[in-house]
Amino acid sequence: DAGITQSPRYKITETGRQVTLMCHQTWSHSYMFWYRQDLGHGLRLIYYSAAADITDKGEVPDGYVVSRSKTENFPLTLESATRSQTSVYFCASSEGASFSNEQFFGPGTRLTVL
Amino acid sequence: AQTVTQSQPEMSVQEAETVTLSCTYDTSESDYYLFWYKQPPSRQMILVIRQEAYKQQNATENRFSVNFQKAAKSFSLKISDSQLGDAAMYFCAFQYSGGGADGLTFGKGTHLIIQP
Repeated sequence: DAGITQSPRYKITETGRQVTLMCHQTWSHSYMFWYRQDLGHGLRLIYYSAAADITDKGEVPDGYVVSRSKTENFPLTLESATRSQTSVYFCASSEGASFSNEQFFGPGTRLTVL
Repeated sequence: AQTVTQSQPEMSVQEAETVTLSCTYDTSESDYYLFWYKQPPSRQMILVIRQEAYKQQNATENRFSVNFQKAAKSFSLKISDSQLGDAAMYFCAFQYSGGGADGLTFGKGTHLIIQP
């Protein structure tokens, strides 16, 4: 199906485990983003990517790693999960970084770290 | 760095009435974009309306309109003829327009309740 998808939609893991959240878009958008949503904080930018092999930190990057070997995929890895990383994670993509390039959001992944 | 403040954690309105959601922001930049996103219980983020800072004319999209006051750094959303389907979390967001891959900076959201 066309669009932006995230997997898994729900994930429960334990402290210290490595977790990878997947994001895939079919539009060949250049820009991709990862946000986390916590109660009382709205959405906060974790990492973003302007193109394949180009990534940069956002507001809250600590504890996360990203890669982008292909334009359509932008996985987010928690190398050693902590309880504070319990959150809803949203991936987004846009054709560019200007006003006319709307960011399209995936459905989100709810991650619980026990 | 910019900040976005939504001072109303929750708002309630009767169906068919008009409601205004407030948003203020702080930035030293002159060129930027402002957005309102809707998040229903499904969690999907839906763009409602957007505004370019250099445009003085307020954006409108059907029942949704904004009051953009650049000097006051205010960007409120007015929903006319409220409908039950408008019930959701609403987020105000800022994006720097200076190029690069800047993400969105969001406010904490306003929970809008529509009373039938």
